[in-house]
Amino acid sequence: DADVTQTPRNRITKTGKRIMLECSQTKGHDRMYWYRQDPGLGLRLIYYSFDVKDINKGEISDGYSVSRQAQAKFSLSLESAIPNQTALYFCATSAGAGGLNEQFFGPGTRLTVL
Amino acid sequence: AQSVTQPDIHITVSEGASLELRCNYSYGATPYLFWYVQSPGQGLQLLLKYFSGDTLVQGIKGFEAEFKRSQSSFNLRKPSVHWSDAAEYFCAVGLPPGSGNTGKLIFGQGTTLQVKP
Repeated sequence: DADVTQTPRNRITKTGKRIMLECSQTKGHDRMYWYRQDPGLGLRLIYYSFDVKDINKGEISDGYSVSRQAQAKFSLSLESAIPNQTALYFCATSAGAGGLNEQFFGPGTRLTVL
Repeated sequence: AQSVTQPDIHITVSEGASLELRCNYSYGATPYLFWYVQSPGQGLQLLLKYFSGDTLVQGIKGFEAEFKRSQSSFNLRKPSVHWSDAAEYFCAVGLPPGSGNTGKLIFGQGTTLQVKP
C-alpha cells in the first residue's frame, strides 16, 4: 500500500461548492503539508502542520482551511470553491526536526472548479 | 527570502544524449537541496539530496547533481537519457537546522523534459 494516499484523485465541482480533500499517511511522520501545483508556478505551500495541535499558513492559504484530525490525517477544505482554485493538489509528509526536510508526496488530487 | 530558480521551462533531448537541468537558489548560507521528479499522473519522487560533504551527489535512476557554492547552483545531470526520463523535474531548497528550520521546502518552477526517439 502507498505510504501517502489522497482522496479523491479527481474531482469536478461547481463554483460556490464546499470541497474537502483528504490525505492519510502510514509513515508515522509528524509533519504534513498541502501544496497546489499550477503550470509554470511549481508547487506552492497552502498549509502545514507539525503535529495535531499545530497548524500554520503557507504562502497561499486564502480561500482554504485545514484540519489535522490525527497524526495520520490532514484534510484540506475549500469553503466556497472558485475557478482559479482549479489545480493539482498534493499532500506531503516529513519526519520531525531530524528529518532533514525530505518530504514524501501523495499521488495528487486533480480539482476542477467550473 | 529564499528562492529557487529553474531557468529552463522546457528542454528537449534525444534519447541517449546527455542532460543537464539547471537550478539556482538564493539563500545566505548553504541550504538543503533536493531534486524531485514528477512523472505524468504521478506524485513527486525524490531523485537525490544534498546536505553537506561531497558536492557531487548520486541519486536514483542514474542521475547525479553537483552543488557549486560559488554559483549558488545545484544542477542535475544524466549522461544518457532514456525515453522513460520524460517528466517534470523540480529543484527545492530547505533550511538547515538552527536557522529557523521549519521543515518547509521552497520549490522551483519546474522543468519539463521531453525525450525524442
